[in-house]
This record gives sequence, structure tokens and C-alpha cells, in this order.
Amino acid sequence: GESVGLHLPTLSVQEGDNSIINCAYSNSASDYFIWYKQESGKGPQFIIDIRSNMDKRQGQRVTVLLNKTVKHLSLQIAATQPGDSAVYFCAEGARYNKLIFGAGTRLAVHP
Amino acid sequence: NAGVTQTPKFRVLKTGQSMTLLCAQDMNHEYMYWYRQDPGMGLRLIHYSVGEGTTAKGEVPDGYNVSRLKKQNFLLGLESAAPSQTSVYFCASSFGRTSNQPQHFGDGTRLSIL
Repeated sequence: GESVGLHLPTLSVQEGDNSIINCAYSNSASDYFIWYKQESGKGPQFIIDIRSNMDKRQGQRVTVLLNKTVKHLSLQIAATQPGDSAVYFCAEGARYNKLIFGAGTRLAVHP
Repeated sequence: NAGVTQTPKFRVLKTGQSMTLLCAQDMNHEYMYWYRQDPGMGLRLIHYSVGEGTTAKGEVPDGYNVSRLKKQNFLLGLESAAPSQTSVYFCASSFGRTSNQPQHFGDGTRLSIL
């Protein structure tokens, strides 16, 4: 299997519970943030993004919250399912659509 | 519509050998990127391109070269492979005409240098 998730912080949840994955970013001038999901052996898959003029954005079963005061980003997943098990990365945007990635959090969903 | 396609998917090299990783996208994206991903770490940008014929260095460019001769292709070269370049390499692309667009990723090339 893929070794990318070794030594990452892990969030363990029960199937059906809500999950909250947190991320701190470094640049107070960043104006774009994005969450990716990475399954074993796959490339990162876009989940949801948010611009700095917003505090909250909702997608299908996912919500991203942005707190610019403390430079904090969170991803909430409602009614977590086994298929949500993966490594989740936050990233902040830079010029030319470049992204600066965090180290990632592994989400483990237990039946 | 295949999105971003990377070839090869796996490769084993000996120290000092050279090789080229190919990335192709069919979304007519202007911007393309090469990352490496090591265990327990996020993705780190190696090189990127903002259009055909242009390239620029990212966070960890040493030991790599790139070329963007065609808009749809972005090549990553290792001239003399070293064990420290053992990693998973990801290519991504995004629209370039407006800022703050998501990048779309391929499924990676797993490269081992012995």
C-alpha cells in the first residue's frame, strides 16, 4: 500500500459521526484555501475551497470554516462513512495558483 | 476526458541513471506543476509552468529539470538519479486566466532509486 500516511496525526471516528479536521496556516496574507482528500495509491482529490472574504462554505456533506484571526482552517464531514477514510490535506494559495500544503491528517472511520 | 495522466506509474532506477517523467493533461489548462511527496509529509513543489515554453523553480528544484514544449505536456527530468530522490511524484494542472483555481492531480509516479 501507499506509504504516504505514515507518522501522520490520525483522527479516529465512528461511522455516522461527524468529523472535524483542523489546519493552521502560516501566511496571514493568503487569500485562498483548499482541502484535498488522498486515498492510498491515488493523487490528491479536490474537496472544497474557500476565499478569504468568506468564513464558511458548504458542499455535499462537507463544510470548510476559515478563522483569519487565528489563521485556522477546518474541514467538517457530516455523517462520516467508511469511504471517507483517507489522508486529508489543507493548502493555502499563492501566486500563479501555487499551493503550499500542510503535512496532512489521516482519517480512520470505524464501523 | 482523462484529466491528468502520468507515465510511468512505477520505476526503479540505479544511482546515476537518468529518466524523464511525463505528464499530460486534456483540460486545456495553462498552469502545470510537479510535486514530490515523501512519507509523513505534504506535497512539495519542484517546478511549475505558467504556459507553453515557460518554466520556474519551486520549493525543491535541485536535481530536477523540466520542459513545457507543448501546452498539454509537462516533463520532469532527473539527469543523475540519487537515492534522496526516491519519492512519489505528482503532476497537477490548473486554469491560469483567473487566480485561485483548484489544481487537478494525476495518480503519481512511484520512483525508487537504488
